[in-house]
Amino acid sequence: DIQMTQSPASLSASLGETVTIECRASEDIYNGLAWYQQKPGKSPQLLIYNANSLHTGVPSRFSGSGSGTQYSLKINSLQSEDVASYFCQQYYDYPYTFGAGTKLELK
Amino acid sequence: QVTLKESGPGILQPSQTLSLTCSFSGFSLSTYGMCVGWIRQSSGKGLEWLANIWWNDDKYYNPSLKNRLTISKDTSNNQAFLKITNMDTADTATYYCARSPRGAGFDYWGQGVMVTVSS
Repeated sequence: DIQMTQSPASLSASLGETVTIECRASEDIYNGLAWYQQKPGKSPQLLIYNANSLHTGVPSRFSGSGSGTQYSLKINSLQSEDVASYFCQQYYDYPYTFGAGTKLELK
Repeated sequence: QVTLKESGPGILQPSQTLSLTCSFSGFSLSTYGMCVGWIRQSSGKGLEWLANIWWNDDKYYNPSLKNRLTISKDTSNNQAFLKITNMDTADTATYYCARSPRGAGFDYWGQGVMVTVSS
């Protein structure tokens, strides 16, 4: 199985700040990576697919980048509604695997 | 408008079989490249992919659950199903179904159904 190592596990940031969340795959996943946002008591919501493509309706302050085994999610100008947990997921190979998540809080 | 909704028993005893239904609208599982998957999440924990079923009836399972999983679909009625045999307390979780067009991430998710395994 491809292991997805996500960091940091938790993050505290101020409104307007730029935050970055990283995901490292145990092998090359050829941009087969998605990022999700999950708020408490809600289902995950797709933010980014194919490592850098913004899903329909997602604010442009979210962006994804990376290649090979290293990927990142960047949130520009943090808003209060961005407080949530974030997960990466590889779908390059079965079984699909998720990162352990990053809990983003306001400072 | 794409929607998905999971339904299931809510609570069951160890060793029983879990049967889940995903009822969806706004797309068809007979469309080329379409896929529906099942994912679960234990309370306060991370996400675990369980299985995928594709428009052409190809099926993929998470080997960590060995041979306990069976995924199927009813295209005419816009439903997908998941069965998990020999349920254990460790299978207590919220179970989600989600759509995956062309396998590029899960773009729409159901609200999830909480399943508790307890004697």
